[in-house]
Amino acid sequence: QSVLTQPPSASGTPGQRVTISCSGSSSNIGSNSVNWYQQLPGTAPKLLIRSDNERPSGVPDRFSGSKSGTSASLAISGLQSEDEADYFCAAWDVSLNGHVVFGGGTKLTVL
Amino acid sequence: QVQLQESGPGLVKPSQTLSLTCIVSGGSITSRGYYWSWIRQHPGKGLEWIGYIYYNARTYYNPSLKSRVTISVDTFKNQFSLKLNSVTAADTAVYYCARVGVGGSGWYDWFDPWGLGTLVTVSS
Repeated sequence: QSVLTQPPSASGTPGQRVTISCSGSSSNIGSNSVNWYQQLPGTAPKLLIRSDNERPSGVPDRFSGSKSGTSASLAISGLQSEDEADYFCAAWDVSLNGHVVFGGGTKLTVL
Repeated sequence: QVQLQESGPGLVKPSQTLSLTCIVSGGSITSRGYYWSWIRQHPGKGLEWIGYIYYNARTYYNPSLKSRVTISVDTFKNQFSLKLNSVTAADTAVYYCARVGVGGSGWYDWFDPWGLGTLVTVSS
């Protein structure tokens, strides 16, 4: 059971805009920044968004992050077939002396 | 750019100690402003943070694993290591190492880059 809650699956057609949600609590998302990772099949996760909405160098601007209260969202616009992957959210949680918590992941299918 | 590579046994017997090393190349493990972390992923499942270490050996551990985990650093070899003792089948996972940066809230909480990962199976 993951501390952060994500829908297990999402889908969209090429060119569409899709969003993936991540729900937490006051001890994590509600008080700390959110990071997003993309994991392509058979590969290691890759940082996609850090500090709620910052894109690391090399990440296309089709990817964007937002946060409101104890929830965060990842938006992908102009969906492409190569975006088919698992997406994970993560944040620092101040409970139990502090630790990083992850969402269970959302598998994005491009139809 | 910084690259990380995990190494260690792919098979560990139950009750024994899992030991992995992460070699850092393309940059120094003593770089200010970064921690160095271990994260695992059970087969077909989500990610679980294990802990991280600074070059001065300051550590933070996941409370759920803290009693069994030790992370250490070797600045001369530019590498850091994981030991997880008293393993069971539930510790079977792909283990990743990653560099950790400080996020907007002031906590070290984003991981980039990651190593390729290494599968460790716990079985007799």
